[in-house]
Amino acid sequence: GQQVMQIPQYQHVQEGEDFTTYCNSSTTLSNIQWYKQRPGGHPVFLIQLVKSGEVKKQKRLTFQFGEAKKNSSLHITATQTTDVGTYFCAGDFGNEKLTFGTGTRLTIIP
Amino acid sequence: DTEVTQTPKHLVMGMTNKKSLKCEQHMGHRAMYWYKQKAKKPPELMFVYSYEKLSINESVPSRFSPECPNSSLLNLHLHALQPEDSALYLCASSPQRRGADTQYFGPGTRLTVL
Repeated sequence: GQQVMQIPQYQHVQEGEDFTTYCNSSTTLSNIQWYKQRPGGHPVFLIQLVKSGEVKKQKRLTFQFGEAKKNSSLHITATQTTDVGTYFCAGDFGNEKLTFGTGTRLTIIP
Repeated sequence: DTEVTQTPKHLVMGMTNKKSLKCEQHMGHRAMYWYKQKAKKPPELMFVYSYEKLSINESVPSRFSPECPNSSLLNLHLHALQPEDSALYLCASSPQRRGADTQYFGPGTRLTVL
């Protein structure tokens, strides 16, 4: 079936270090979205990428969509304690629903 | 109003009980979703309603019964659940301009089945 894999599963970083999570699909995506879920919270939409090779920035967060539209990444520069949470990518395979990736749990060591 | 609300926040029920989860949005969104999320796992799609009609059922057991009384409300009726059904149940809505649109999630109902 259509799956979206994310790596790493967990990442522990010192505050101020950078963080990257990667998302891979076996088939081409119509678009990819990123969500953040704080501990005890619910997923919150961050961004949507639609075009091949697209790069979008939100302050310290940089999102990329691969040229083949099969992979994506989220990079956070100089992490802060407020970045703690699980980051999910969610792929649209053109079937009227999102398929969530396995998620990367980020913890910050102050 | 840019919120999706869900009630109750927490629910504990026995295997013979019947209960309902409620979800409401007033953003004029035309698609609404139920997801199930187990600890440390991604949300798992259960049902999609589009324009108040059930458009996707991800082979969910019949002990879960969705209902969409109008475009703002979504219910999930629960009956004869099993302990393994304990999870966070998330409702979401989307404008449904095209395909799998951006989804706005509610805070969830944490369900425990004894």
